[in-house]
Amino acid sequence: SAVISQKPSRDICQRGTSLTIQCQVDSQVTMMFWYRQQPGQSLTLIATANQGSEATYESGFVIDKFPISRPNLTFSTLTVSNMSPEDSSIYLCSVEGLSYEQYFGPGTRLTVT
Amino acid sequence: QKEVEQDPGPLSVPEGAIVSLNCTYSNSAFQYFMWYRQYSRKGPELLMYTYSSGNKEDGRFTAQVDKSSKYISLFIRDSQPSDSATYLCAMNPGAQKLVFGQGTRLTINP
Repeated sequence: SAVISQKPSRDICQRGTSLTIQCQVDSQVTMMFWYRQQPGQSLTLIATANQGSEATYESGFVIDKFPISRPNLTFSTLTVSNMSPEDSSIYLCSVEGLSYEQYFGPGTRLTVT
Repeated sequence: QKEVEQDPGPLSVPEGAIVSLNCTYSNSAFQYFMWYRQYSRKGPELLMYTYSSGNKEDGRFTAQVDKSSKYISLFIRDSQPSDSATYLCAMNPGAQKLVFGQGTRLTINP
């Protein structure tokens, strides 16, 4: 299984600002995913990021709000733009294994005030 | 109706008990089934994954898939306080996004 790290692990941000979350994998992977997990809830997929192509966003998530970069096979970033308190959540990246299973990073806990 | 249904609990059992966690699903195209364990303030950790129907065992954990009933289970034998966590089932048809259950919060009481 892949080892995944995320930065920052947590942050407290002001309303209207933006935060970029980094996701680093210890091996080359094709598919990377970004999720949001609100308190006490399950995971909601934001977008799928393939290296060399535009990210594919799920219904309810748009590129202007959650721009994603995927510059190579081991790294991706998710930016949460123009934040509001409703964006307070845990943001998780994951990678896909050989049997379509996914491995998750430790998460970034975001609080917007 | 959600594609994947999972009883959110909470579920509380004494140490040493056998725990049964379950999910039902509606999409017959699902072929890959996973169970994740998530401790508080941590990312989900993949516990078990199986393809199609059948059983898979790993130590104290057993995953079962019954595709005819669209029902999957995770059994934990000799449960320990360290098993206290939220357990999430997830599944997909293959090269498509994972669909998650709501998660079951489990507490093992010493």
